[in-house]
Amino acid sequence: GQNIDQPTEMTATEGAIVQINCTYQTSGFNGLFWYQQHAGEAPTFLSYNVLDGLEEKGRFSSFLSRSKGYSYLLLKELQMKDSASYLCAVINTGGFKTIFGAGTRLFVKA
Amino acid sequence: EAQVTQNPRYLITVTGKKLTVTCSQNMNHEYMSWYRQDPGLGLRQIYYSMNVEVTDKGDVPEGYKVSRKEKRNFPLILESPSPNQTSLYFCASSTSGMSEQFFGPGTRLTVL
Repeated sequence: GQNIDQPTEMTATEGAIVQINCTYQTSGFNGLFWYQQHAGEAPTFLSYNVLDGLEEKGRFSSFLSRSKGYSYLLLKELQMKDSASYLCAVINTGGFKTIFGAGTRLFVKA
Repeated sequence: EAQVTQNPRYLITVTGKKLTVTCSQNMNHEYMSWYRQDPGLGLRQIYYSMNVEVTDKGDVPEGYKVSRKEKRNFPLILESPSPNQTSLYFCASSTSGMSEQFFGPGTRLTVL
């Protein structure tokens, strides 16, 4: 079957670092995406990994290990505006179907 | 402004009354997709389209139809809506099936 697992909720403190994990089992792999979704809004793109390793983009970094079916999103210097849901998504091979995890709700407290 | 638009944004209807949710993008994207989002289940793909006249089923296609007659438009059709189709629907587009997707603002559908 196809499955993507993420923690349901996380809480972190303003200014800290938080790591959101994502494990996946899918029929084929063509890349992994992270999206951010604020309450009541549409998802917006954060990062894309297709090869193993770390991709850094400002305060956000994303890591991928294809052999382990594992990714994480690292958020540094947390700000209150980072309170949102973070969605992990995998593109499978062949038909380019997109599979999303249920998302991780991150609460940033002062 | 580059964007994905959906209409209507909110809709309350009754069981069995056919409806169409429109989706349009102005970025000349090849790939378009429909998702539904339900609490605890996240985004689930309904249908996607790699190009004009090319569509394929996602994970939850039952009860839905789509068409892609023009590159910019990808309407979602519910021929006979049922209460279990009450959900938040998102349309998205991207340059290809392997690139970042741009999402529309969402359509909140309630079927009574």
